[in-house]
Amino acid sequence: EADIYQTPRYLVIGTGKKITLECSQTMGHDKMYWYQQDPGMELHLIHYSYGVNSTEKGDLSSESTVSRIRTEHFPLTLESARPSHTSQYLCASSEYRTGSDEQYFGPGTRLTVT
Amino acid sequence: GESVGLHLPTLSVQEGDNSIINCAYSNSASDYFIWYKQESGKGPQFIIDIRSNMDKRQGQRVTVLLNKTVKHLSLQIAATQPGDSAVYFCAEFGNQFYFGTGTSLTVIP
Repeated sequence: EADIYQTPRYLVIGTGKKITLECSQTMGHDKMYWYQQDPGMELHLIHYSYGVNSTEKGDLSSESTVSRIRTEHFPLTLESARPSHTSQYLCASSEYRTGSDEQYFGPGTRLTVT
Repeated sequence: GESVGLHLPTLSVQEGDNSIINCAYSNSASDYFIWYKQESGKGPQFIIDIRSNMDKRQGQRVTVLLNKTVKHLSLQIAATQPGDSAVYFCAEFGNQFYFGTGTSLTVIP
């Protein structure tokens, strides 16, 4: 059972609001990721971190920002939400072990911007 | 960017039959591949992985086959059960993870 948590699970918010999606893991993993997933579609990497104070943008252009001040915490912030941000956001973590770099996923946050 | 695509978007199988889900990838430098299962309303769950120095790996009821010559990955599920109904994603790792579109597997009782 993966110990990775996301809050809120569901969020409906108006255009222009600032929102922060929370992600925490209790496994001590160095690597953490944020993915965006539309219904029935593939996951797109938007941000990742390989350790404290390390953050990188992923393949999908995103207007969000992330921070990694603590190993266990990797919040995603949208400064001004827009309807185009409506999607599911999945957080994941991993730590390389011999032969495996399995990512553990949280349950996701389903965001609707009206 | 990378291209990781699945051949079929949907697959229906009879309970007890074997399922085969296919995946094509484009980056010959990718050296690590994972199959994930995603049930409705949940995050993806790891099923099985394989490194590029292998061509086959077996788990419990699942087998992953890797053909580096044609850049093809497959997931075989033996004796498919209703609980196997989900969307299955393959992912490749070169310098970062890239996920395919997903195949929706429906198991008919």
